[in-house]
Amino acid sequence: KAGVTQTPRYLIKTRGQQVTLSCSPISGHRSVSWYQQTPGQGLQFLFEYFSETQRNKGNFPGRFSGRQFSNSRSEMNVSTLELGDSALYLCASSFHSLSGANVLTFGAGSRLTVL
Amino acid sequence: AQKVTQAQTEISVVEKEDVTLDCVYETRDTTYYLFWYKQPPSGELVFLIRRNSFDEQNEISGRYSWNFQKSTSSFNFTITASQVVDSAVYFCALSEASKNTGNQFYFGTGTSLTVIP
Repeated sequence: KAGVTQTPRYLIKTRGQQVTLSCSPISGHRSVSWYQQTPGQGLQFLFEYFSETQRNKGNFPGRFSGRQFSNSRSEMNVSTLELGDSALYLCASSFHSLSGANVLTFGAGSRLTVL
Repeated sequence: AQKVTQAQTEISVVEKEDVTLDCVYETRDTTYYLFWYKQPPSGELVFLIRRNSFDEQNEISGRYSWNFQKSTSSFNFTITASQVVDSAVYFCALSEASKNTGNQFYFGTGTSLTVIP
């Protein structure tokens, strides 16, 4: 059974550019969540999608957005990149979205460096 | 407010020693879930255990054991006879059931464990 696949694994952008990250969940998983990991702030929740609908959103500016497709694959986009957006972006999937109980399976992450 | 505290930033032990990773949480929910994840250098978070707030029974899985105490809001993780392969960053996380917030986890800042051969 394939795990959660994130692409690209590494990327370098410059300030002001935008970036799109992709996540393919485990087959059959309908919930996809995104987290940002930085040395200073740790792991922070960005948003969650379930059946193509955003269920919940963390405390991030509107430059961070996402979407989910009918096959449950998800993308997140960051526009007008800032130096502080440099981070490891982790995607996680689960079968459903019952509040709180789900075990999340994480991908290896996309490491974004903003210069 | 929800909060998870892992006071130990870094721990180093010699192989075969036992080590306990501390986790203290805060929540106003009566129904919640606690998790431990391991993050090796590859970056992928690996699930270790989930515990719900109504189940205070301690659990042992091989060399791993977990001690959940609601009275002290703690969910500590012990590795017995540590091995070099246990070297990783370990995260404790909390999710709440009552707010219909789906899969929003609150993570601690992690404890970096180094096992020295």
